[in-house]
Amino acid sequence: KAGVTQTPRYLIKTRGQQVTLSCSPISGHRSVSWYQQTPGQGLQFLFEYFSETQRNKGNFPGRFSGRQFSNSRSEMNVSTLELGDSALYLCASSEGRDIGTDTQYFGPGTRLTVL
Amino acid sequence: QKEVEQDPGPLSVPEGAIVSLNCTYSNSAFQYFMWYRQYSRKGPELLMYTYSSGNKEDGRFTAQVDKSSKYISLFIRDSQPSDSATYLCAMGAPLGGATNKLIFGTGTLLAVQP
Repeated sequence: KAGVTQTPRYLIKTRGQQVTLSCSPISGHRSVSWYQQTPGQGLQFLFEYFSETQRNKGNFPGRFSGRQFSNSRSEMNVSTLELGDSALYLCASSEGRDIGTDTQYFGPGTRLTVL
Repeated sequence: QKEVEQDPGPLSVPEGAIVSLNCTYSNSAFQYFMWYRQYSRKGPELLMYTYSSGNKEDGRFTAQVDKSSKYISLFIRDSQPSDSATYLCAMGAPLGGATNKLIFGTGTLLAVQP
């Protein structure tokens, strides 16, 4: 099976712009979770989508949003970019069963730099 | 105070050494404990998964969970240069439904010197 793919791999934007990142999960996986990784804060949970519905949300401002399509592919959007949004954005897919038996597989991430 | 605390390192050991990596946590609701390994410029990959307290062994890797002390460990025996990576602990709690929210430590950077 192909792994989780994320596009683009690298992105440079300026403050105030918006950005859309894409994630294609492993075939058959229905859950997609998004995380932000920074050196100071580590990996922080953004949100999870399951069958096109947001199932859980982390403590990020409303500028961070996402969606999931019927084929389980997911996008996340960040509007009005700030310098502090510079980070590695990771997507993880899983079958979407109970957390106790579900394994999350991570993609390589999108490195976003905000200038 | 963060829910999960992890010593960021860096940790440098000679090849063949036993490595001990640790995390502490404050949320007693956590029941699922994982260790991920992340190589430079890659996404994290799952190494070990443990439910509740106890030990789990997989080859050179052993994961321990002590829920009474809110403390988890990962031991690497006979460490190899290929083990050089960032190791992340992660924890999850049942949230009244099937959700996948994991809380991660900040990661420990390990370098195994040949």
